[in-house]
Amino acid sequence: AQTVTQSQPEMSVQEAETVTLSCTYDTSESDYYLFWYKQPPSRQMILVIRQEAYKQQNATENRFSVNFQKAAKSFSLKISDSQLGDAAMYFCAYGTGTYKYIFGTGTRLKVLA
Amino acid sequence: DVKVTQSSRYLVKRTGEKVFLECVQDMDHENMFWYRQDPGLGLRLIYFSYDVKMKEKGDIPEGYSVSREKKERFSLILESASTNQTSMYLCASSQDNWATSEKLFFGSGTQLSVL
Repeated sequence: AQTVTQSQPEMSVQEAETVTLSCTYDTSESDYYLFWYKQPPSRQMILVIRQEAYKQQNATENRFSVNFQKAAKSFSLKISDSQLGDAAMYFCAYGTGTYKYIFGTGTRLKVLA
Repeated sequence: DVKVTQSSRYLVKRTGEKVFLECVQDMDHENMFWYRQDPGLGLRLIYFSYDVKMKEKGDIPEGYSVSREKKERFSLILESASTNQTSMYLCASSQDNWATSEKLFFGSGTQLSVL
């Protein structure tokens, strides 16, 4: 069965610094998608970034980028120039097959002023 | 922008009550989902619907049922609420049938407390 593991329940970063959130997954599939979602205090989850497994190039969205290591089954999120508004719960997710999305347990990110 | 609206932000119910959680999306999405979010457990899928009147059980369907009479509305029903159903409930939708390449659009969640 596929699993998604986020080993850091909580992380802190100073404003303007860079932080990396870790995610590993386990699967025997070759075709799948990986996501990072952000859940701010308002509770509405929004997509931060998405990676297709067949693409070797790491996805980037402004200050957010991923380090996708397919062989190692690792999908970390790097946030550059951290801002106070980045404080949130971050969930790593894996999608395969039909409707099956599997979420990690989340990492709470605190941004210190 | 897609809007997914959950009818209640907070809800307090008594054990044994029948509870309805409502979710409406405004972008004609095919797929709708109900997740349960608990600290340390992440999001777990309760039920999924890929079309009107169609539903599939997720990972934790016990004690829950769903209804999708119209494309835009997906209801989660707790037939007889129990204290272990105290949780945050998240509704989500996505556009494409049978494709987990699509991102999910989430509502703001309903924090349900069963006393």
